[in-house]
Amino acid sequence: AQTVTQSQPEMSVQEAETVTLSCTYDTSESNYYLFWYKQPPSRQMILVIRQEAYKQQNATENRFSVNFQKAAKSFSLKISDSQLGDTAMYFCAFIEGRSSNTGKLIFGQGTTLQVKP
Amino acid sequence: DSGVTQTPKHLITATGQRVTLRCSPRSGDLSVYWYQQSLDQGLQFLIQYYNGEERAKGNILERFSAQQFPDLHSELNLSSLELGDSALYFCASSETPLREQYFGPGTRLTVT
Repeated sequence: AQTVTQSQPEMSVQEAETVTLSCTYDTSESNYYLFWYKQPPSRQMILVIRQEAYKQQNATENRFSVNFQKAAKSFSLKISDSQLGDTAMYFCAFIEGRSSNTGKLIFGQGTTLQVKP
Repeated sequence: DSGVTQTPKHLITATGQRVTLRCSPRSGDLSVYWYQQSLDQGLQFLIQYYNGEERAKGNILERFSAQQFPDLHSELNLSSLELGDSALYFCASSETPLREQYFGPGTRLTVT
């Protein structure tokens, strides 16, 4: 069964510094899709970044970037120049590949990130 | 604003009752997904529809059912409600099943 593990329940970072959130996953698929979602106190789920497993280049979105290590089944999120508005719970999520052709998202347990002024 | 709308935002009801949650996907999105977020279970996939047809089922109880209508909006029906059904229910939509999903604001269900 596919699983997603986020081993850091809580993290904190000073404003303007860089922080990395960890995520590992387990799958027997060769093609799949990985995501990071952010859930601020408003509880809205916001897509942060997307990575396709067949692409070797790490995805980036402004201050957010990933370190995708396919062999290690690792997908960490780096937030640069942290801002107070980055305070949220971050979820790593995974969609299995084309063999099932569903969009079932499997989520990790989440990491609560607090950005301190 | 993700473009996905959900109604109602909050719902308070008693055990044994039935409720209907409604979702309108983003314009152009054919896939609709329902997820449940509770404190003890985290975020769990419930069910997916694609262009009106059920595509995948997750940990959805038999007391729960859903459908997607010709205009692509979807409804999640929860019946014989129990205290443990209290949770945040999200609807999400995507253009196709393997594209990124955009989430609605959620419906907070409280069963008393």
